[in-house]
Amino acid sequence: DAKTTQPTSMDCAEGRAANLPCNHSTISGNEYVYWYRQIHSQGPQYIIHGLKNNETNEMASLIITEDRKSSTLILPHATLRDTAVYYCIGYTGTASKLTFGTGTRLQVTL
Amino acid sequence: DTGVSQDPRHKITKRGQNVTFRCDPISEHNRLYWYRQTLGQGPEFLTYFQNEAQLEKSRLLSDRFSAERPKGSFSTLEIQRTEQGDSAMYLCASSPRRGGEGGYTFGSGTRLTVV
Repeated sequence: DAKTTQPTSMDCAEGRAANLPCNHSTISGNEYVYWYRQIHSQGPQYIIHGLKNNETNEMASLIITEDRKSSTLILPHATLRDTAVYYCIGYTGTASKLTFGTGTRLQVTL
Repeated sequence: DTGVSQDPRHKITKRGQNVTFRCDPISEHNRLYWYRQTLGQGPEFLTYFQNEAQLEKSRLLSDRFSAERPKGSFSTLEIQRTEQGDSAMYLCASSPRRGGEGGYTFGSGTRLTVV
């Protein structure tokens, strides 16, 4: 599994875009970049994943650099309900398990 | 089928007692996982089943821990002779055979407090 590095915490004003970076310089060619988030006292929730191309869904956008060594999760209009710990994970999709780091604690403020 | 269900949501037990948690995965998911999460840390992998077969166990899963998934449906995680260090959130997740577009679906967890 690729080792990922994320900032410990970030703040974002409500209504602004939240840009959460992740470094994964050791990611292998068959590993996707997955993002999960965990709101307090709940289980992790899938957000988005990508391999090479940028991806967008109803929750977020994922921008992956061309060399695949880093990525950015974008929440375009953060709300207070987006306050959570966000995890970036390298995962092949067929391997036996997801390996979580400590993630980024995003605090969205008024 | 609304997702992964875990029961109970909270459990307080005295040190030395045995506890058992249940997980009901999404019905069409072949794979089922147990994770443990302590305060301030990300979830840590404990074990994983494909159908009824337990295919991998973490070194975190001491001999006081046992997990089963009879008939490849629900799963139970039992902790014998609980210790204060077992206090944590125990999370269950399930996934389709190949991880799928949505990756894993997690339950809300069982919070264990050993007093």
